[in-house]
Amino acid sequence: TQLLEQSPQFLSIQEGENLTVYCNSSSVFSSLQWYRQEPGEGPVLLVTVVTGGEVKKLKRLTFQFGDARKDSSLHITAAQPGDTGLYLCAGPNTGTASKLTFGTGTRLQVTL
Amino acid sequence: EAQVTQNPRYLITVTGKKLTVTCSQNMNHEYMSWYRQDPGLGLRQIYYSMNVEVTDKGDVPEGYKVSRKEKRNFPLILESPSPNQTSLYFCASSLYQGTHGYTFGSGTRLTVV
Repeated sequence: TQLLEQSPQFLSIQEGENLTVYCNSSSVFSSLQWYRQEPGEGPVLLVTVVTGGEVKKLKRLTFQFGDARKDSSLHITAAQPGDTGLYLCAGPNTGTASKLTFGTGTRLQVTL
Repeated sequence: EAQVTQNPRYLITVTGKKLTVTCSQNMNHEYMSWYRQDPGLGLRQIYYSMNVEVTDKGDVPEGYKVSRKEKRNFPLILESPSPNQTSLYFCASSLYQGTHGYTFGSGTRLTVV
């Protein structure tokens, strides 16, 4: 079973601060996805990274896929209270791409 | 509006009473999947389906059944629910396997007493 470890588990910061969330594995993934989940709702897809070394930007969010495709990071610039939520990385299992493994999650709270 | 619709949102039932959680998507997606989310354990895949009549087990399939008779529907069946199946359940669908993300439903909070 391919595992995805996220760090940190919890992050509480003030509005305007920058932060980085990490998603690591000992296995190679063909792609990685990032989701944000708010309380009582399903995860919402933010981005998919496919190519090793790829960098994607979504407004204040920057996603990077490691060169070896074993890790990914999410960087948020000037965090806002609306960024509060649970951030999840996920990747398809090698050989059975329909089986999606989710990371352990990073719970972010941004306060005024 | 493109969406995955689950029903019911909340359900309290008793041990052993069969129940079905419905899931429907209006995006003509081929891939559908069920997950359960538990504190400390994260999201775990129960079953997934690659197309009509094609289903396979995820990581935690015990105690669950699924069927995919139509492309848009993927119900989750608990034949004899037990308290350890108390959880938050999500249905999700995707157009392509692997590289494309899933669209998730709003969830079903199930309590088995």
